[in-house]
Amino acid sequence: AQSVTQLDSHVSVSEGTPVLLRCNYSSSYSPSLFWYVQHPNKGLQLLLKYTSAATLVKGINGFEAEFKKSETSFHLTKPSAHMSDAAEYFCVVSSLGGGKLIFGQGTELSVKP
Amino acid sequence: GAGVSQSPSNKVTEKGKDVELRCDPISGHTALYWYRQRLGQGLEFLIYFQGNSAPDKSGLPSDRFSAERTGESVSTLTIQRTQQEDSAVYLCASSYTRGPYNEQFFGPGTRLTVL
Repeated sequence: AQSVTQLDSHVSVSEGTPVLLRCNYSSSYSPSLFWYVQHPNKGLQLLLKYTSAATLVKGINGFEAEFKKSETSFHLTKPSAHMSDAAEYFCVVSSLGGGKLIFGQGTELSVKP
Repeated sequence: GAGVSQSPSNKVTEKGKDVELRCDPISGHTALYWYRQRLGQGLEFLIYFQGNSAPDKSGLPSDRFSAERTGESVSTLTIQRTQQEDSAVYLCASSYTRGPYNEQFFGPGTRLTVL
């Protein structure tokens, strides 16, 4: 069975400092992995996705993630946090054959001025 | 083009009542998904449709939950005899087709409160 574990329920950074949101996955096959963001009172938005083409994936708003098979990790990073990055972030794996998405528990990112 | 829309945005009901939640997917999207998000938690998969058939209903919590879809259009999630533990945000998503690489586009959700 596929699963994802987000290692931090809450991360707080200062504006202008790097962001690191950690995610480990479990999958019996080569997974499709995603990061989604959910701003307060807004719908979920796709940040980026990994589909085996390249291990370093660039997404929107300066975010990127690196797929590391040896560590079964897919951590999300951004060099410099902005106040508008404050939101809930979800690491997601797609089920074999597509269909349902399996979500992590989420990491709430706070950005201090 | 319009995104995924859901109605109502908020629903307050009494325990034991039936509720219907509606989802309008993006036009042309053949796959449609329902998820549930309880307070402070990630999303739980409920059911997905490819066209108007539902190959995977494995996430439906009980037989009080059912869903249907008209062709490749609107879907309705029905919860019968609602219970307080059904309180959650119900999210609908659609994608061009089923597949592990296809982005799912999410609607704003319906917040259900069962008193």
